[in-house]
Amino acid sequence: QKEVEQNSGPLSVPEGAIASLNCTYSDRGSQSFFWYRQYSGKSPELIMFIYSNGDKEDGRFTAQLNKASQYVSLLIRDSQPSDSATYLCAVIGGGYQKVTFGIGTKLQVIP
Amino acid sequence: NAGVMQNPRHLVRRRGQEARLRCSPMKGHSHVYWYRQLPEEGLKFMVYLQKENIIDESGMPKERFSAEFPKEGPSILRIQQVVRGDSAAYFCASLGTGAVEQFFGPGTRLTVL
Repeated sequence: QKEVEQNSGPLSVPEGAIASLNCTYSDRGSQSFFWYRQYSGKSPELIMFIYSNGDKEDGRFTAQLNKASQYVSLLIRDSQPSDSATYLCAVIGGGYQKVTFGIGTKLQVIP
Repeated sequence: NAGVMQNPRHLVRRRGQEARLRCSPMKGHSHVYWYRQLPEEGLKFMVYLQKENIIDESGMPKERFSAEFPKEGPSILRIQQVVRGDSAAYFCASLGTGAVEQFFGPGTRLTVL
C-alpha cells in the first residue's frame, strides 16, 4: 500500500469551475499535511498546509482534512488556466520530519 | 523558492563519470532534504541532513550515492559512476529549525549520456 495516494489524472475542469483534488494517506500518526503546486519543468511550490481537522481557506484555495478517514483534499474555486499544473500532496508522519509525497494529480483548466 | 539555491541547473555526464550537485539552503535554515524526480513520476525522498549530520538516508541507493552537509558551505549530493538510470531532476528543500514547511530549490536536471 502506498503511503500517500493520489489519482494521477489528468483532471480536467472548465474555467471558473471548482477543482477538487484528493489525497489519502496510510500512517494514522501523520500530523502535518501539505499541498504543493508544480508547473512542468519547475520545482514544487508550497500552496497550503493544514494540521487540524476541518477546513482552511486561503484565497481561492481551501484545504480540507479528515484524520478519521485519513483524507485530505484541496479545492480550487474559480479555476483559471494558470492553475493548470500538477498538485502534490505531502504528509509528515509521526516522529521526525520526514515528508512523503504522493505522485501528484495533473490538473487541466480548460478555457 | 528563490531563497534555496541549487547548482548547476543542468548537468550532463557520460556513463561512469561523477556528478556533484550542490544545494545552499535558505538563510537561517539548517535542514536539507534531497529528492529525485523521474519524468512523469512523483518526488522520491533520498536523504535528510542537518549540519554535519545525516539524519535519514533510507531513500538513498546503497551504492554510488552519498550526501553531506558540512558546517560551512552547501550540501552536496554526489553520484559516482553515473548510469543512464540516474538521469532525473534532483531537488533539494530546506526548512528552519522547528518548522515543517519545506521550500524547494529550482532543481538540477542531470542527463547521463
